[in-house]
Amino acid sequence: GQNIDQPTEMTATEGAIVQINCTYQTSGFNGLFWYQQHAGEAPTFLSYNVLDGLEEKGRFSSFLSRSKGYSYLLLKELQMKDSASYLCAVRVRSNDYKLSFGAGTTVTVRA
Amino acid sequence: NAGVTQTPKFRVLKTGQSMTLLCAQDMNHEYMYWYRQDPGMGLRLIHYSVGEGTTAKGEVPDGYNVSRLKKQNFLLGLESAAPSQTSVYFCASQLQGPILSNQPQHFGDGTRLSIL
Repeated sequence: GQNIDQPTEMTATEGAIVQINCTYQTSGFNGLFWYQQHAGEAPTFLSYNVLDGLEEKGRFSSFLSRSKGYSYLLLKELQMKDSASYLCAVRVRSNDYKLSFGAGTTVTVRA
Repeated sequence: NAGVTQTPKFRVLKTGQSMTLLCAQDMNHEYMYWYRQDPGMGLRLIHYSVGEGTTAKGEVPDGYNVSRLKKQNFLLGLESAAPSQTSVYFCASQLQGPILSNQPQHFGDGTRLSIL
């Protein structure tokens, strides 16, 4: 199986920056996804990394280091609507595109 | 623009009852998945399908069965419900693509199931 770790909770102030770390141990890495999930709602896709480096999408950026088994999601200029759970998911090398998810990090943005 | 639709949204069952959860997608996706989400444990894969007429076991398949008779539908059955199956169930679908494809899984809104 896969071992994916991320912090349980984080709190930050509106307008600030928060970095959510994710470490993983997998057999046959084939990409890492970040999803956002508001309470009581479906997970929605945020970003995908398969090569080392930083991917930027507006206020959100995601970084990957395959050699270290490490990724982070960076949320800049935090807004109240960013309060949600952030899920790290790893895809293993197979033909069925299965994902293994971490337990999620709940981010609370305070005014 | 329906995407992935799950029915029902809520259900309460008694121990030993059976039921079927329906997932329908209108995106012509090949791959479909059923997950359960429990507090502190993240999403865990129950069963999945790589195409019409195919199914395979995921991480936690015991107590569940699935069928994919039509490409757009993926059904999850609970044969004899147990309190341990109280959870939120999510269905997801994905477009087939190259092995390094950045195609994400698209999720439905979930079914909240309580077993008494």
